[in-house]
Amino acid sequence: GQQVMQIPQYQHVQEGEDFTTYCNSSTTLSNIQWYKQRPGGHPVFLIQLVKSGEVKKQKRLTFQFGEAKKNSSLHITATQTTDVGTYFCAGRGTTDSWGKFQFGAGTQVVVTP
Amino acid sequence: NAGVTQTPKFQVLKTGQSMTLQCAQDMNHEYMSWYRQDPGMGLRLIHYSVGAGITDQGEVPNGYNVSRSTTEDFPLRLLSAAPSQTSVYFCASSLSRVNYGYTFGSGTRLTVV
Repeated sequence: GQQVMQIPQYQHVQEGEDFTTYCNSSTTLSNIQWYKQRPGGHPVFLIQLVKSGEVKKQKRLTFQFGEAKKNSSLHITATQTTDVGTYFCAGRGTTDSWGKFQFGAGTQVVVTP
Repeated sequence: NAGVTQTPKFQVLKTGQSMTLQCAQDMNHEYMSWYRQDPGMGLRLIHYSVGAGITDQGEVPNGYNVSRSTTEDFPLRLLSAAPSQTSVYFCASSLSRVNYGYTFGSGTRLTVV
């Protein structure tokens, strides 16, 4: 079955630095979503990617969907303390309904001032 | 709009007891899902629904039942609680549209002793 893997599991970042987290699927995806979960909170939707090679930006966050639609990345520039949390990707297989998104294990981001 | 409302927020059960976790949304979303979150494992899909009267299994359905008699409500039933079901449970809802992600409830923290 489909597996969605995220690396790294943990990311310690100095405030002001950039970092990237990666999401890889064992099968081709129809679309991929990214979520952020603050400590003690619930996941909050950030963005959805649908097209091969798609790149979307939200202020300091850049999301990319691979050409083969099997991987994705989230790049954060000039990290701030407000970026603390766990970032999840969630992928939907090409034969799966909209209800069947599979989440990766997440990248937990810790920011050092 | 209240969004996605989950009750209770906390629950302690004894092994073998049954209970229902409630989930309601007021956004007229067609899709609803239940996830469990365990440390280091991300969110795992338990059951999902693509509309009233239609449900399907996710990755980890054993020990759980669901029903969707109305668009608004999607309760999750634990048939005979086991310590392995100790987890944080999230309910989420969505529309199947581009740039539209899942809206999560605030979660239920369940402990089975």
